[in-house]
Amino acid sequence: DSGVTQTPKHLITATGQRVTLRCSPRSGDLSVYWYQQSLDQGLQFLIQYYNGEERAKGNILERFSAQQFPDLHSELNLSSLELGDSALYFCASSVGGVKNNEQFFGPGTRLTVL
Amino acid sequence: EDQVTQSPEALRLQEGESSSLNCSYTVSGLRGLFWYRQDPGKGPEFLFTLYSAGEEKEKERLKATLTKKESFLHITAPKPEDSATYLCAVQGAGKSTFGDGTTLTVKP
Repeated sequence: DSGVTQTPKHLITATGQRVTLRCSPRSGDLSVYWYQQSLDQGLQFLIQYYNGEERAKGNILERFSAQQFPDLHSELNLSSLELGDSALYFCASSVGGVKNNEQFFGPGTRLTVL
Repeated sequence: EDQVTQSPEALRLQEGESSSLNCSYTVSGLRGLFWYRQDPGKGPEFLFTLYSAGEEKEKERLKATLTKKESFLHITAPKPEDSATYLCAVQGAGKSTFGDGTTLTVKP
């Protein structure tokens, strides 16, 4: 158990809908990262937050947005969903800073868009 | 742009047959190179962090080493339970970059 929690575990929805994925980082971690992993593909970095502020951005679609709240939990919002958005979405957290960047991953949310 | 290339894509070993996985990288201002293990359908599990060339870390049958251009994950006398995808990642001045992984299968 990494200490990172993600909800929900599974999500099934229809094209065009909007969903919100939630992540709670490990106690003491200030950085939160979001990744997308499609079937048999690598981890695609989406976005990173550090202590509430956006730190880095990857290949995140305009239909996707995220935020980190004052209690450090984070939410990833996916809108106008398409079939191709079906994937595992992972959240990870780290202490942050110049060192201490090893990331601890949550169990993921499996999103299925029908 | 930071890049990470892992080889081979897949590796099949017999139980007890030692081997190495390679991670080649280019990064602007290395702040850390990381190895993770990922089982199917699960989140990656952190294994090691390496910060500078010449550094080595060990854990059970795994040993990670680092040079200025690549890292190796050596697996000594592997067991079937070592079967997984092994991911390498680098942290530069900006975001972290993951490789596509090496899928290791260890046959009994």
